[in-house]
Amino acid sequence: DVQMTQSPSSLSASVGDRVTITCRASQDISHYLAWYQQKPGKVPNLLIYAASTLHSGVPSRFSGSGSGTDFTLTISSLQPEDVSTYYCQKYDNDPWTFGQGTKVEI
Amino acid sequence: QVQLVESGGGVVQPGRSLRLSCAASGLIFSDYGMHWVRQAPGKGLEWVAVISSDGVRKYYADSVKGRFTISRDNSKNTLYLQMNSLRPEDTAVYYCAKKGPLGSSAYTWFDPWGQGTLVTVSS
Repeated sequence: DVQMTQSPSSLSASVGDRVTITCRASQDISHYLAWYQQKPGKVPNLLIYAASTLHSGVPSRFSGSGSGTDFTLTISSLQPEDVSTYYCQKYDNDPWTFGQGTKVEI
Repeated sequence: QVQLVESGGGVVQPGRSLRLSCAASGLIFSDYGMHWVRQAPGKGLEWVAVISSDGVRKYYADSVKGRFTISRDNSKNTLYLQMNSLRPEDTAVYYCAKKGPLGSSAYTWFDPWGQGTLVTVSS
């Protein structure tokens, strides 16, 4: 099965900073990658699908890029409400594997 | 607006069974494949199982294969997860989630997710 590895596992940044999270697949998954945001104690919410398509209602400071095996999630200007754990997920076939998560703190 | 509401969680002894339900509204339920995902306390997300819109095709994570069964009743707009031979490592919040947009491949992202139901396996 394809493994999804995120880095870093956690990070601390200041309000207004540019934040980048990476996700690496152990095999080529083309553009079949999604990113989710899970705020503390809340349900995961879709941020990005198809590696770079912003889901409806998601602020434009979030962006995604990459294809094949290497992907990134970028927050252009970190806001207090972005404190969350972020997960990547492959969906090219089963199993629908998630990365281990990246916890973002202020 | 799509709404997914899970129920059926609770405390159960190892080796026993439990059935989770996910009631869907705000969509034509029979049009969409559905997933179960779980999250152990303080841990990450783990995909558990998927069922096609017509209930014919089902796939499972290796960790639950042979013990868990996903099913659906499209007449009741409800998704189920029958969990047998439960183990302490099955302790988690269980979420149901809808596949991506109508007309898209069976292999899509998940949106939205239900609020989750907690299953605790302990003696």
